[in-house]
This record gives sequence, C-alpha cells and structure tokens, in this order.
Amino acid sequence: QVQLVESGGGVVQPGRSLRLSCAASGFTFSSYGMHWVRQAPGKGLEWVAVIWYDGSNKYYADSVKGRFTISRDNSKNTLYLQMNSLRAEDTAVYYCASPKFEYSSSSPLGHWGQGTLVTVSS
Amino acid sequence: DIQMTQSPSSLSASVGDRVTITCQASQDISNYLNWYQQKPGKAPKLLIYDASNLETGVPSRFSGSGSGTDFTFTISSLQPEDIATYYCQQYDNLIFTFGPGTKVDIK
Repeated sequence: QVQLVESGGGVVQPGRSLRLSCAASGFTFSSYGMHWVRQAPGKGLEWVAVIWYDGSNKYYADSVKGRFTISRDNSKNTLYLQMNSLRAEDTAVYYCASPKFEYSSSSPLGHWGQGTLVTVSS
Repeated sequence: DIQMTQSPSSLSASVGDRVTITCQASQDISNYLNWYQQKPGKAPKLLIYDASNLETGVPSRFSGSGSGTDFTFTISSLQPEDIATYYCQQYDNLIFTFGPGTKVDIK
C-alpha cells in the first residue's frame, strides 16, 4: 500500500532554512508527480508546490516562490522541500501528497503523508 | 489566479440529515474540482474527484456535481463519522487551489 512519511520538521528561527523529506513506498514513485501542501495551525489547506514525475517541471504558490525549492530523488524514492528565508507565516504542518493518476499534472491528490510540523519562531 | 469560495463555512446537522456544501470558482474550471475530508489531527482524504467521481472505497452517501464555476457536494444521510472539515480543490494552469473549508458537526 502507498506510504508517504515526512520528516525534517522542527523549530527554526526566522530567516533560517530547513529541508523537509518525504519517503515514498508502495507505488512506482518515478511515475508520479508529487506535491507539498501545508496547513497553518487552525487554518485551511494551502497548496505549496508540485514537481513532475521526472523533475523536469516545478511550480510554486506565490507565497513561497523564490524561497522554497521542491526536488526529488527517484533513485531513493524521496521528495524534498528546501525552505529558505523562513517567516513566521510559514509555520504549518507540511504534507507531501501523491496524485491518484500517474503522469498527470491535473490529477487529484489520492494519498497523503501524516505531515511534519514546522514552527518558525525566535 | 482562480479563487475558490465555499459555503457555508460551518454547519450543524442531525444524524440522517442531507447535507449540502457549495463551492464556487472565480473562473471556469471545467470539471477540475475535487473534494477532500479532513478529520481533526488527520491528513486530508480524497472523496470526490473530477467533480462527480466517487473515490474507491468511499461510501455512496457522498456525491458531487457541477461544472464550470459552480459545484455541489452532498452527504445524503449524515453519519457521526462524517464529522470533519470538507475542502474543495481546483486545478488550473498547473496550480492547485483549495477552498476555505466547511466544518460539519452533529446537532
């Protein structure tokens, strides 16, 4: 069965960096684009970024563009989110999610990890 | 960018009631509209995709309809385990956007 396990969250000071990882198993990772979605405490879901199955294209929400970088290592079945210049408003649970359909940029998000909490605070 | 609105923002209904949530897009999104359920402390779960398709394993009391800019999500007979927040989500021009959510609880 599909498993997505995020790691790397924690408390970080404003302006610093953090890298999240998402270990995937139970499906052909290299055939699926992958997403990051976040949720601030007590708030709704916010889509963060997507990377295509082969890493050839990456797209970001305006709120993180220029500060966050999504990447993947298909040999390790792992998705990453490099977060730089962190702000208090980046405090959230970060979920990785895989699409329902392979090779589809418009596919709904069929599987989600349990999330990892990032707290940006001095 | 396309904006999504949902109504109501919260509702309280009795077990067995029919519950309806609406989602409106600021531009035509065809049928690129999905619905997710999120229970407290849990990750979201896909319920309905492409506006009206029931995800595998999801009870048939859940349904969705609509196209273009106006969409509806329905629980035909509310059950205690349906207590959750429901989000619509659209796809347009390589970007995903979630609606603000509708919190559903039992009266």
